[in-house]
Amino acid sequence: AQSVSQHNHHVILSEAASLELGCNYSYGGTVNLFWYVQYPGQHLQLLLKYFSGDPLVKGIKGFEAEFIKSKFSFNLRKPSVQWSDTAEYFCAVNSGGYQKVTFGTGTKLQVIP
Amino acid sequence: DGGITQSPKYLFRKEGQNVTLSCEQNLNHDAMYWYRQDPGQGLRLIYYSQIVNDFQKGDIAEGYSVSREKKESFPLTVTSAQKNPTAFYLCASGDRAVEGYTFGSGTRLTVV
Repeated sequence: AQSVSQHNHHVILSEAASLELGCNYSYGGTVNLFWYVQYPGQHLQLLLKYFSGDPLVKGIKGFEAEFIKSKFSFNLRKPSVQWSDTAEYFCAVNSGGYQKVTFGTGTKLQVIP
Repeated sequence: DGGITQSPKYLFRKEGQNVTLSCEQNLNHDAMYWYRQDPGQGLRLIYYSQIVNDFQKGDIAEGYSVSREKKESFPLTVTSAQKNPTAFYLCASGDRAVEGYTFGSGTRLTVV
C-alpha cells in the first residue's frame, strides 16, 4: 500500500528565509507525486506534480520540488518565502495505474513579516 | 466557471441522526472522491467513484455511505454508525489521478 510521511508538522519562518518541507513516500514501483496547498479559508489547490521526466519540478508561485527515487523523497523548496505563503502544505502520492491518491498529514507554514 | 460545489458549508447534527453532504461538479470528470480532514491527520479517503453507478470504499469507509446516480453528483451520507463524525469533509474530482484533483470548499460537520 502507498503511504506518505511529512515530518515537519509546523514550520515558522521569517520573510525571505529559504524553505524546505520534507516528504517521503513508501511504494517501490512507479509513482506520481504532488504537493497541494491550502491557504487560510481557501480551497485545497495543486501546487506542483511529478509523473515522469525531469526530477526537478517547478510549480506556481516560485515553488519547486525534487524527486529523488533512491531516497523515496519529494521535498518542496522555495528560495525566499513571503508572508502570503502562510498556508498548510500537503504531499500526496499516487502509485502507477492506481486511481487513489494518498495524502500526508500536512505541514503548517507560518511566515512572519 | 467550472468547479466543485459543496453544500452546506457548515452543518450541525444531533447524535443518532444521519446527515447527507452534497457535492456537485460541472467539470465533466468521471472520478469523484470524498476525503475527511482532521487536524494533524491530513486527508483520509472515505469513498471514491470512477464511474456512474459504481463506487469503492476508501481507507475509512465505516459509518459512511455514498451514491453515484449522476456523473455530476456524489453525495455522502454520514450515518449514526460513524463514531466520531465531527470533521471537515472535502469532495474532489479528477479524470486521471496523475493530473491532480480539483477540490471543493468543504463542509464542516459538527455533532452536537
